[in-house]
Amino acid sequence: QKEVEQNSGPLSVPEGAIASLNCTYSDRGSQSFFWYRQYSGKSPELIMFIYSNGDKEDGRFTAQLNKASQYVSLLIRDSQPSDSATYLCALLPYAGNNRKLIWGLGTSLAVNP
Amino acid sequence: DADVTQTPRNRITKTGKRIMLECSQTKGHDRMYWYRQDPGLGLRLIYYSFDVKDINKGEISDGYSVSRQAQAKFSLSLESAIPNQTALYFCATSETGGSETQYFGPGTRLLVL
Repeated sequence: QKEVEQNSGPLSVPEGAIASLNCTYSDRGSQSFFWYRQYSGKSPELIMFIYSNGDKEDGRFTAQLNKASQYVSLLIRDSQPSDSATYLCALLPYAGNNRKLIWGLGTSLAVNP
Repeated sequence: DADVTQTPRNRITKTGKRIMLECSQTKGHDRMYWYRQDPGLGLRLIYYSFDVKDINKGEISDGYSVSRQAQAKFSLSLESAIPNQTALYFCATSETGGSETQYFGPGTRLLVL
């Protein structure tokens, strides 16, 4: 099992809808979880990170973390065509001094006008 | 603005040539990373450095070497380029003791003929 799993998509939603992106992980001790957005040919940009169970909201974005079920989600409200991109999930493992982010392969989102 | 820069942004080279990709940052971060990204394979870590005297191999270091010339500079070398090193290369930085958020440079698109 991969450490971080994401559905590759593409996920297609109409403009104005809620887009729901999911990420599951295998290491129960994982500490922090990150969502990045990456436009084609561009570098990943941080949307938000979360480390406590529950919801964290930032504008139109909400991250949801459920450590018991080992998943983290990103909800995008009022989706816009400009949200069309690949969304990368990453996590920070718990153990060790040389901890570094573990990345999922990303989910492609298409928002249709 | 504090930033991460990469040079060159695009490079075409021939098999067997030695090339260097450079990364500089003004964020004051101590940790730096080199990734490559290929379609369908996600971000793969090549090398990382947690301070000037610390260099660590990532998951795909064969055929690559790095140099951390200063806290702000981290260079990636391809000793003898081969076509399957054609990829998008990203440098990233993060801060010890922070959230471990990684901030990415704009990327270098490398084509090896």
